[in-house]
This record gives sequence, structure tokens and C-alpha cells, in this order.
Amino acid sequence: AQSVTQPDIHITVSEGASLELRCNYSYGATPYLFWYVQSPGQGLQLLLKYFSGDTLVQGIKGFEAEFKRSQSSFNLRKPSVHWSDAAEYFCAVASPGGSYIPTFGRGTSLIVHP
Amino acid sequence: DADVTQTPRNRITKTGKRIMLECSQTKGHDRMYWYRQDPGLGLRLIYYSFDVKDINKGEISDGYSVSRQAQAKFSLSLESAIPNQTALYFCATSDLRGGGQETQYFGPGTRLLVL
Repeated sequence: AQSVTQPDIHITVSEGASLELRCNYSYGATPYLFWYVQSPGQGLQLLLKYFSGDTLVQGIKGFEAEFKRSQSSFNLRKPSVHWSDAAEYFCAVASPGGSYIPTFGRGTSLIVHP
Repeated sequence: DADVTQTPRNRITKTGKRIMLECSQTKGHDRMYWYRQDPGLGLRLIYYSFDVKDINKGEISDGYSVSRQAQAKFSLSLESAIPNQTALYFCATSDLRGGGQETQYFGPGTRLLVL
């Protein structure tokens, strides 16, 4: 069974600083990987996804993530954070060939200081 | 226009009451899901349905039931609500036509408080 860990419960950055949110997964083969964002009072919105191919994935809102098989990681990055990026971020992993239903991490809360 | 809608958006109820949360989608997707979100626990799967005649229990189905009335509608019921069912509930849909490379689309959530 797949599992996903987001080691950081909270991350605080200054506006304009770079951001990296960590995500580690456990799965025997190459999984499907996702990052979602949840703004206050909103549902989850897909930022980006990885199914196969190029391990550097571009998403919406200037986010990107890199799949590193050797580290079982799929970290989310943004070069310059905006105050509107303050939100909860969820990493998710799904198993190809199974039910494809993703398992979600516990989330990382991003706080942006002006 | 929202593709996945949930009603109500907020609900306060009392212990022992029956409550239904409703989800509708206009995306034409076959698969629908119910999750609950608790602070620090992420999203946990309650029930899922791959089509109208297919209902499956998720990770935390105890105390919940569901009904798939049509392809577009998937309802979650709490037969006898208890305080630890206080949570944020999300409905999601997905389409498996992409050979397994499916993406979930979420509704805005229903915030439920059980007193």
C-alpha cells in the first residue's frame, strides 16, 4: 500500500523568498504524484501532477515539483512566494495498476510574512 | 460555474440526529468520493463509487452510509451523528478514461459541527 509523508506541519517564509515543501512517499514502483492547495474556506485545487516522463513538472501559479526516484520524493517549489500563496498544501500518491485512488499527506500550512 | 457542488456548505446538528450531505457534479465523471478532513490528519477516504451500481467502503466508513442516486449525485449520510464526526467533508470526482491517469476534482466542502 502506498503512503505519503509531509514532514513539515508549518512553514513560514517572507514574501518574495523561495519556497520548498517536502513530500516523501512509500511505494514499490513509480507512483502517480500530486500536489493540491487549499486556500482558507476553499476546496482543494490541483497544482500539478506527475504520471510519467519528465521528472520536473510545471504547475499553475508558478509552482513546480521534481520527482526524485532515488529519494522517494516529490518536493514542491516556488522561486518567489506571494502573500496569496498562504494556504494548506497537500501531497498525494496513487498506485498505477491499482484502484488509482490517491492517499493524501497530512498537509503543510504555509504562512507568508510581509 | 462550479463543476462539483456540495450542500449544505455549513451545518450544525445535535448528537443522535440524522443528517445528509449532498454532492452534485456536472463534469460527467463516473467516479465519486467522500473524504473528511480533520486538522493535522489530512484527508481520509470515507466511501467511493466507481459507477452508479458500485459502492465501496474507504478507510473510515464506520458511522457513515452513502447513496449514488445517479451518475451526477452522491450523498453521504450520518445516521446518528456524534461529536467526533465534527469535520470538514469533501466530495470529489474523477474520470478513469485516461488509462489510470486520473485526477480528482474537489467540491468546496461542507463544514459540519455536531453538538
